[in-house]
Amino acid sequence: EGQLVESGGGWVQPGGSLRLSCAASGFTFSSNEMNWVRQAPGKGLEWVSYISGRSKTTYYADSVKGRFTISRDNAKNSLYLQMNSLRAEDTAVYYCAREYSYGYANYDYYYMDVWGKGTTVTVS
Amino acid sequence: EIVLTQSPGTLSLSPGERATLSCRASQSVSRGYLAWYQQKPGQAPRLLIYGASSRAIGIPDRFSGSGSGTDFTLTISRLEPEDFAVYYCQHYGSSPRFTFGPGTKVDIK
Repeated sequence: EGQLVESGGGWVQPGGSLRLSCAASGFTFSSNEMNWVRQAPGKGLEWVSYISGRSKTTYYADSVKGRFTISRDNAKNSLYLQMNSLRAEDTAVYYCAREYSYGYANYDYYYMDVWGKGTTVTVS
Repeated sequence: EIVLTQSPGTLSLSPGERATLSCRASQSVSRGYLAWYQQKPGQAPRLLIYGASSRAIGIPDRFSGSGSGTDFTLTISRLEPEDFAVYYCQHYGSSPRFTFGPGTKVDIK
């Protein structure tokens, strides 16, 4: 079914930078679109960024646009999130998640079916 | 941008009882774009339901999803001790790509 393991979280001062990594195993990484989702302490889930299988397409939440950059290295089965100009409100657990999509019987289906355990980013 | 509203915010029930969780979208959405996740403290979210009513791999049949248009429901037929958690509905869209509801916490009465 697949496994995702995030790393790279830690403490950083406002205005600083951090690079998160997500190592994938157990599935064909290059064939899958990937996302980052975050969760601030005591809050709900917030989608952050998306990247297509061959990195041709990326999307960002308005809250991180221009500051975060998503990328991947399919040869290394790895997903990344470069976070610059960090703010206190970026403090959260960051999850990488595999996106799964398909079409069947006049419907298209989209959801995130494999999640990592998360890595914690603290900006203060 | 579609906004998801979940109710109630907290549901206090006893093991063995039936739980009914609601997710309402600000405009009509495709069933294929609606999913439900379970999250326990200190854990990552886990996919329960996709396409509004299809159970993910390994999800017990006491979990079921239904609904269409703007109103969707997650039902847990008989609560087991491990089902006490927070449940989120999620919509796939164009911008942002995924939107989550604020969650419903199911706790032990």
